[in-house]
Amino acid sequence: NAGVTQTPKFQVLKTGQSMTLQCAQDMNHEYMSWYRQDPGMGLRLIHYSVGAGITDQGEVPNGYNVSRSTTEDFPLRLLSAAPSQTSVYFCASRLTASGNTIYFGEGSWLTVV
Amino acid sequence: AQKVTQAQTEISVVEKEDVTLDCVYETRDTTYYLFWYKQPPSGELVFLIRRNSFDEQNEISGRYSWNFQKSTSSFNFTITASQVVDSAVYFCALSEPNAGGTSYGKLTFGQGTILTVHP
Repeated sequence: NAGVTQTPKFQVLKTGQSMTLQCAQDMNHEYMSWYRQDPGMGLRLIHYSVGAGITDQGEVPNGYNVSRSTTEDFPLRLLSAAPSQTSVYFCASRLTASGNTIYFGEGSWLTVV
Repeated sequence: AQKVTQAQTEISVVEKEDVTLDCVYETRDTTYYLFWYKQPPSGELVFLIRRNSFDEQNEISGRYSWNFQKSTSSFNFTITASQVVDSAVYFCALSEPNAGGTSYGKLTFGQGTILTVHP
């Protein structure tokens, strides 16, 4: 997981609060994405970006916002946290060129009470 | 739409047994990529293998081997002589090609298989 840094690692939020999960990579990767992991459901794509200034929705985008103002950073914002957003969040990045490995961050454990 | 099914929710074996983790996928793309990831108890995701749809050769890496069969849309993963350190959740994933068809894009993950290896 070298090169993809997620913060915070653990967070407890109250329903209705907002927060931002940070993701940064120093490998000059064009492609970055956010996944959430829930028991029995694997990882599901929330949002992704193919480069600075370009973002798109994944499978489960509702309740989340993203932006990509720089190549290095891809923050995930929870606008008004809900208990259903209790999950483990993974950020991932890779070069867009064919054959490149996807690198995952170490995960952020979020609990909404 | 893409779909990945890992029918085995949990597998429990005794050390030194061989174990196969099943992965079946669905896609309409003719070009796609398949992956296996390991998630140990510490929580991080560890990349194990990537295979593109044009390469049906089986692969062996130490005690790990992968059997890719397009005819049955399966990409199974076998651990030979399992060890306690193999205990983890294993994810199979499928990726569609990007817009230009030159690389892989979004990943669709299976539900994961929890493997427990007992001493």
